[in-house]
Amino acid sequence: AQSVTQPDIHITVSEGASLELRCNYSYGATPYLFWYVQSPGQGLQLLLKYFSGDTLVQGIKGFEAEFKRSQSSFNLRKPSVHWSDAAEYFCAVGPLSGGYQKVTFGTGTKLQVIP
Amino acid sequence: GAGVSQSPSNKVTEKGKDVELRCDPISGHTALYWYRQSLGQGLEFLIYFQGNSAPDKSGLPSDRFSAERTGGSVSTLTIQRTQQEDSAVYLCASSSWTSDEQFFGPGTRLTVL
Repeated sequence: AQSVTQPDIHITVSEGASLELRCNYSYGATPYLFWYVQSPGQGLQLLLKYFSGDTLVQGIKGFEAEFKRSQSSFNLRKPSVHWSDAAEYFCAVGPLSGGYQKVTFGTGTKLQVIP
Repeated sequence: GAGVSQSPSNKVTEKGKDVELRCDPISGHTALYWYRQSLGQGLEFLIYFQGNSAPDKSGLPSDRFSAERTGGSVSTLTIQRTQQEDSAVYLCASSSWTSDEQFFGPGTRLTVL
């Protein structure tokens, strides 16, 4: 069965500092990996996704993530955090099948940004 | 264009009452998902609709939960005889048949007293 672990429930960083959010997955085949962001009172928005090719993927809002098969990880990074990045971030894994995406989400990491 | 919309945004009900939550997907999207987000938990898959195919109901937690999708568009999630543990945010998402991205609505926050 597929699963996702986000070991950090809550992270606090200073504005302008770098950020790395951890994600470890368990999946029996080549996974389809996603990062979503949920701002307060809003639905989830896709930041980036990976299923093949270059293991470093770029997303929106200056985020990137690196797929490391040997570590079963897909960590999200940003070089310089802005106050508007304060939100909850979800990693997700799903099968590589067209259309239907029965995706499993992690429990989320809440990011707080301090001035 | 319009995104996924959900109504109501907030619902407070008494234990034992039935509730209906509505989701309007993006026009043209054939796939529709319902998730439940409880405090401190990830998103829990509830049910999936795709076109005219039989829905995948494997995530529904009990027979008190049911969902319909009329005309391949609007969906209603019904919870009968609500319990306090049903309190959560219920999220709806839609996607097109060829897309790998799910577009989420803002959710309905359900509180069962």
